[in-house]
Amino acid sequence: EIVMTQSPATLSVSPGERATLSCRASQSVSSNLAWHQQKPGQAPRLLIHGASTRATGIPARFSGSGSGTEFTLTISSLESEDFAVYYCQQYNNWPLTFGGGTKVEIK
Amino acid sequence: QVQLQESGPGLVKPSQTLSLTCTVSGGSISSGNYYWSWIRQHPGKGLEWIGYIYYSGTTFYNPSLKSRITISVDTSKNQFSLKLSSVTAADTAVYYCARNWDSTAHYFDYWGQGTLVTVSS
Repeated sequence: EIVMTQSPATLSVSPGERATLSCRASQSVSSNLAWHQQKPGQAPRLLIHGASTRATGIPARFSGSGSGTEFTLTISSLESEDFAVYYCQQYNNWPLTFGGGTKVEIK
Repeated sequence: QVQLQESGPGLVKPSQTLSLTCTVSGGSISSGNYYWSWIRQHPGKGLEWIGYIYYSGTTFYNPSLKSRITISVDTSKNQFSLKLSSVTAADTAVYYCARNWDSTAHYFDYWGQGTLVTVSS
């Protein structure tokens, strides 16, 4: 099973600032990586797939990069609705696995 | 707009079978090349994929749970279901149903709201 490790566990950021979240895979997942956002009490929402393709309706301030084992989700200028937990998910190998999440909180 | 909604008992006794159903609306469960998954989230923890089903009945399960899982589909009702047997407190979690994009890219593009299942006597 591929282990996905996210860092940091918690990121404190002020509104309007840039946030950079990392995700590392225990072995290469090529570009078969997605990012999901989850707000308290809500279902996760797909943000990015294919490591860098924004899902339908996702604002341009969200961008993804990386391939192989190292991936990054960048939120260019944080808005109030962006404070949430972010999970990476690999779909290169079975079983599908998720990272432990990064909580983006208000500084 | 595709919507998924989980339903089922919120409380299950230890050693019994957990049974949940996901109802899909806004699209046919039989259309396209979509697969349909169950995912769970233990309280305060991350996400764990349980397994998927295709409308034809083809299934694939997470090896860690394979011996206790059955996922089935009812295309006439546009539903798919999860059964997890011999539950323990470790199976207490929020259970989500979700749609996998297609056979070559199994990321989840639509999710249900989730339902909390507590295993307790």
